[in-house]
Amino acid sequence: QSALTQPASVSGSPGQSITIYCSGTSSDVGGYKSVSWYQQHPGKAPKLMIFDVGNRPSGVSNRFSGSKSGNTASLTISGLQAEDEADYYCNSYTSTSTVFVFGTGTKVTVL
Amino acid sequence: EVQLVESGGGLVQPGGSLRLSCAASGFTFSSYWMHWVRQAPGKGLEWVSRVNNDESSTNYADSVKGRFTISRDNAKNTLYLQMNSLRLEDTAVYFCARGSMVGKGARYFDLWGRGTLVTVSS
Repeated sequence: QSALTQPASVSGSPGQSITIYCSGTSSDVGGYKSVSWYQQHPGKAPKLMIFDVGNRPSGVSNRFSGSKSGNTASLTISGLQAEDEADYYCNSYTSTSTVFVFGTGTKVTVL
Repeated sequence: EVQLVESGGGLVQPGGSLRLSCAASGFTFSSYWMHWVRQAPGKGLEWVSRVNNDESSTNYADSVKGRFTISRDNAKNTLYLQMNSLRLEDTAVYFCARGSMVGKGARYFDLWGRGTLVTVSS
């Protein structure tokens, strides 16, 4: 099971919107409504930002939104803020023996 | 406070063994699937293993299958990862994470520990 494909880096200015894409296959992203997104600041534990493609946990800003089309999921951060600078990982349930697969990770830089 | 706290990491030689622990508090541990996720230095996240609430079901990443064993003690609210035949590429921070409540079918990780570092080196 290969990792899901994400861009290595995405950047934007404060107030702008950015979108991170997560590409998989019909065995993972395309086959299930089980895509989640995690934010990780340096040296910290990951934090759940989006679950089940487009749902936000309580306490997560509504500036974060998720969606999916075919085998590709996306995370959009609107009104970019300095605190959003972090690494972001997608994750999907899979039909393979590995069960869950993470994306390669995307470093978001706020210019 | 709802939290997970990992322990047991350290330096081990290739071929050696190590057992990690994850102490849970603030929630009904016995009602949840639990997972281990690791992150090699400077690299991305890798899902490692999961166990259901009563240990009757376990799954492993292909990279650790046959070498790692996940288990839990619900009386002690503790998750374990027994790691044998360790390789250089097992060097990573190991996080425990909470999965789905039994019967809910959730497929995400909503609570994470801070991790424990395992270094495999001669």
